[in-house]
Amino acid sequence: QKEVEQDPGPLSVPEGAIVSLNCTYSNSAFQYFMWYRQYSRKGPELLMYTYSSGNKEDGRFTAQVDKSSKYISLFIRDSQPSDSATYLCAMSTDYKLSFGAGTTVTVRA
Amino acid sequence: GAGVSQTPSNKVTEKGKYVELRCDPISGHTALYWYRQSLGQGPEFLIYFQGTGAADDSGLPNDRFFAVRPEGSVSTLKIQRTERGDSAVYLCASSSSQTPNEQFFGPGTRLTVL
Repeated sequence: QKEVEQDPGPLSVPEGAIVSLNCTYSNSAFQYFMWYRQYSRKGPELLMYTYSSGNKEDGRFTAQVDKSSKYISLFIRDSQPSDSATYLCAMSTDYKLSFGAGTTVTVRA
Repeated sequence: GAGVSQTPSNKVTEKGKYVELRCDPISGHTALYWYRQSLGQGPEFLIYFQGTGAADDSGLPNDRFFAVRPEGSVSTLKIQRTERGDSAVYLCASSSSQTPNEQFFGPGTRLTVL
């Protein structure tokens, strides 16, 4: 079993819909939780960075962390075609990031 | 520069050859990381530098892989006797020492071993 599990999708939604992404993990020592966006043939781009449990909002993006369930989520409101990308969750105890496999999202115009 | 840069963007080599991949981190970032991303997978940690020294090289798959950062800025990942299984995207990231989890990635080098 992988340390971080993420449904690869693909996920296809109409423009304006809410995109819901999630990851589960097995290492209870993880304290830092990140979401990255990766466009095709590009490097990952840091979207959200959270420490411990709770919610964090940044514009159209909301990240949630539930450490008791070992479950994290990313919500994208009012999705746009430019949000079409692969979304990677990542987590760590210190500096070594452990990534999920990524979920590919397509937002249809 | 504004972000992490990596060269070359693509590298095609033959099995058994030696390759060098270069990373130029964000100015002022003392921490530098190398990851490897295979098709359809998330990046996997290879090595972490704090300043000039390799603080953690536990992710390097074997002794054919080696990385240096002689002046605490630019880093080079070196792969000897390349194998077809080394084909992947090699990503470099950097961060400040205060926020090591907030890592900023470069565009990667796509290595293909024929």
